Amino acid sequence: DTAVSQTPKYLVTQMGNDKSIKCEQNLGHDTMYWYKQDSKKFLKIMFSYNNKELIINETVPNRFSPKSPDKAHLNLHINSLELGDSAVYFCASSQTDGGSFFGQGTRLTVV
Amino acid sequence: AQSVTQLGSHVSVSEGALVLLRCNYSSSVPPYLFWYVQYPNQGLQLLLKYTSAATLVKGINGFEAEFKKSETSFHLTKPSAHMSDAAEYFCAVSEDQLDSNYQLIWGAGTKLIIKP
Repeated sequence: DTAVSQTPKYLVTQMGNDKSIKCEQNLGHDTMYWYKQDSKKFLKIMFSYNNKELIINETVPNRFSPKSPDKAHLNLHINSLELGDSAVYFCASSQTDGGSFFGQGTRLTVV
Repeated sequence: AQSVTQLGSHVSVSEGALVLLRCNYSSSVPPYLFWYVQYPNQGLQLLLKYTSAATLVKGINGFEAEFKKSETSFHLTKPSAHMSDAAEYFCAVSEDQLDSNYQLIWGAGTKLIIKP
């Protein structure tokens, strides 16, 4: 069974559209994350979320919003997509020592 | 504030040679330290972690890392490189926190290139 799964794996869409990426973890972790990885492989945390608290990286545009229907899911919704949003987005969940398990990534291309 | 520095965006070694990937961190409290590997077009996979137990940590695929508090370093090594080790490697640090909302601070990554 995949520990952290995200869908879709590839997403190509036009500027101005709204899209969502889904993430599910079956590890029983309390904390989930969304990361953005740019073309230079630099990882930027966007959100961290557990059942108590949402922490938002203040540099993330408010067009991005995480939605968590339950502890095992943290979806990423993006409004009004822009060319600069093209990147690979990773979902992750963590153990109590901070070690994280990552999904396979969603490669978003905005055209 | 925490930070992580990985020396060298690219490291090239010959197959069979020693692999050394450098990581230095800054932290105001004893940290947890991690190395992750990312193969092409894949997600990140945990290689090993230091969580205040033994300073020499053994991970998967023959990798190990040594925590040196005096040098604030956590360098990753492997005695003999294999072609399959070619990947991007990330060092990360998190501070001990009282709740479960840990956040990792990431290095910029080092691309390991293996020459035949």
